[in-house]
Amino acid sequence: NAGVTQTPKFRVLKTGQSMTLLCAQDMNHEYMYWYRQDPGMGLRLIHYSVGEGTTAKGEVPDGYNVSRLKKQNFLLGLESAAPSQTSVYFCASSYEFDRGLKHEQYFGPGTRLTVT
Amino acid sequence: AQSVTQLDSQVPVFEEAPVELRCNYSSSVSVYLFWYVQYPNQGLQLLLKYLSGSTLVKGINGFEAEFNKSQTSFHLRKPSVHISDTAEYFCAVSDSWDTGNQFYFGTGTSLTVIP
Repeated sequence: NAGVTQTPKFRVLKTGQSMTLLCAQDMNHEYMYWYRQDPGMGLRLIHYSVGEGTTAKGEVPDGYNVSRLKKQNFLLGLESAAPSQTSVYFCASSYEFDRGLKHEQYFGPGTRLTVT
Repeated sequence: AQSVTQLDSQVPVFEEAPVELRCNYSSSVSVYLFWYVQYPNQGLQLLLKYLSGSTLVKGINGFEAEFNKSQTSFHLRKPSVHISDTAEYFCAVSDSWDTGNQFYFGTGTSLTVIP
């Protein structure tokens, strides 16, 4: 199993450009998440999905959109990139264990995005 | 909503000395608890997890953590650290009362092992 993969690994954008980050998992997990990581702020949840065709907002959703058209893929889009979106982006997936509790999250290697 | 507090943002420790990284979470009836490690320029990988049963949980690389329900804590310990333990450590909680299907992460503790 490849686990969770992210494409691309690095990207530099100019302000106003758009791009899509792709996350793929081969573990048949229902839940998928997009986080951003900034120095001193830990991980902040952008959007998440509890199943194919469903998405929901996390803590910092503004400026991002997501889609989950296939169970194994979770796309994160930036329609008009801003310097404040310079960050490292992590995708994760998980599954429900029991009693409504989620099992551990499996993380991808990250995408380092710089917006100039 | 659940909140997770990692009290120490940076912990320097000499090689072969013991270390404890502290984690506290909001009170809840039923939680799963996790510790993740992040090495420089890498993703997060699971160190250990508490789901149920024994409150002392052993993980990879000689780490262990103790779940204390009365103090709502899940502190991470290692009796003797190595240079290779230098990394960022994150505590995380999954809360059965949360309808948002979210995990809650602390802000991380940067462990630096000094030769």
